[in-house]
Amino acid sequence: KAGVTQTPRYLIKTRGQQVTLSCSPISGHRSVSWYQQTPGQGLQFLFEYFSETQRNKGNFPGRFSGRQFSNSRSEMNVSTLELGDSALYLCASGVSGGGGDTQYFGPGTRLTVL
Amino acid sequence: AQSVAQPEDQVNVAEGNPLTVKCTYSVSGNPYLFWYVQYPNRGLQFLLKYITGDNLVKGSYGFEAEFNKSQTSFHLKKPSALVSDSALYFCAVRVLRGATNKLIFGTGTLLAVQP
Repeated sequence: KAGVTQTPRYLIKTRGQQVTLSCSPISGHRSVSWYQQTPGQGLQFLFEYFSETQRNKGNFPGRFSGRQFSNSRSEMNVSTLELGDSALYLCASGVSGGGGDTQYFGPGTRLTVL
Repeated sequence: AQSVAQPEDQVNVAEGNPLTVKCTYSVSGNPYLFWYVQYPNRGLQFLLKYITGDNLVKGSYGFEAEFNKSQTSFHLKKPSALVSDSALYFCAVRVLRGATNKLIFGTGTLLAVQP
C-alpha cells in the first residue's frame, strides 16, 4: 500500500498570506490528524477528522482550519500567516483513530513564513 | 494532567552496545503507548505500540519496548545498536477523555550511535 502523501513538501510564504496543505491518507484509512512540529514547542496536535467531521481539536487559533473530503483526503488551511507559523506540518492517518489504532505519518510539509 | 516525558535530550551509545531510550507517562485509565522515529527532514515512522497483554513489545528494526505499569514507564530498547539507528525518537500516549482523542508526544530523544 502507498503511504501517506503530503503536498507540497516545501512552501515559502510571507506574513499575512494564507496557505493550504494537502494530505492523502493510506487507502482504507478514515481518520486523518494534523500536527505542527517546531523546535521550541515540539509536536503539537492540531485537529483530527473522521468521515468528513472534525472529531478533535487542539489549542490553536481559529486561523488554523481543516476539512476532510469523502475520499478521506484532507486539507489544512492557515490564514493570515505569522512568522511563528513556520514549522513542519505533519499529517497522519489511521483506520479508526481509536485507542490502540496506529497513526502513520506522511513526510510533512515544511512551511517557512518570511 | 495526562502527559509523557522523555527525560534525556540525547543518548550516546557505541555501535554494537545495547541502547535504552527512556519514556514515562501519566494517563488516566489504561494507556495506549507508541514509539516513533524521525530521520532528518522526514516524517515520523512507527516502531511499536503497547495496547494490552505482554509487557514486552517487539517492533520494527529489532527494537522492543518494556511496559512497566508500576513505574509508569515504556522504555525503548535494542540489544545491539547500529550507526543507522541514529535519529530522533518520540514516545507518545493516546489521551482518551470524553470527546478528546489525540496523541500526546514527548519532547524527543536524540540517539547518537558512534562507530
